Amino acid sequence: RKEVEQDPGPFNVPEGATVAFNCTYSNSASQSFFWYRQDCRKEPKLLMSVYSSGNEDGRFTAQLNRASQYISLLIRDSKLSDSATYLCVVTSSGNTPLVFGKGTRLSVIA
Amino acid sequence: NAGVTQTPKFQVLKTGQSMTLQCAQDMNHNSMYWYRQDPGMGLRLIYYSASEGTTDKGEVPNGYNVSRLNKREFSLRLESAAPSQTSVYFCASSEATGTVNEKLFFGSGTQLSVL
Repeated sequence: RKEVEQDPGPFNVPEGATVAFNCTYSNSASQSFFWYRQDCRKEPKLLMSVYSSGNEDGRFTAQLNRASQYISLLIRDSKLSDSATYLCVVTSSGNTPLVFGKGTRLSVIA
Repeated sequence: NAGVTQTPKFQVLKTGQSMTLQCAQDMNHNSMYWYRQDPGMGLRLIYYSASEGTTDKGEVPNGYNVSRLNKREFSLRLESAAPSQTSVYFCASSEATGTVNEKLFFGSGTQLSVL
């Protein structure tokens, strides 16, 4: 089983829709969880951290389920500008680098 | 505030040629990383440096060498480029490897084609 797995998509949704992505991770000792956003031909950028209690930033909500070892990202009222690839990122073990999922591609259509 | 700067942005090489990708950060970060990104493969770690003076292999180190020149700079060298090394390369930095809430900051990438 890969350390971090995501549905690659693409998710094609109309403007205004609500869309959710899930990401599963294999290392139960992982402590930190993030969503990064990557626009086409650009570098990844941190979108939000994911906290145990769940957290919200405007139209974006991230949740963590430690028992089932997955994190989710919910986007409400999708905008055209939300079209991007969303990368799930998880700490591995010890002082080792973060582990990236392959990303989920979202296309918001007018 | 420049953040992470990598050069060049584009490069075309012939098989067997060598080149060095340069990366510098101005955030006083301890850790620096080199990734490659290929379609359908996601970001794969080539090498990283958790602190000045140390380097470690990542997932795909073969065919590459790195140098942590000082705290600011981390270079990636291809000694004998191969077509399989055609990719987009990203440099990144963070305050410290493996810490809780470690956040990565990326350079804008280098598109490398090896013919």
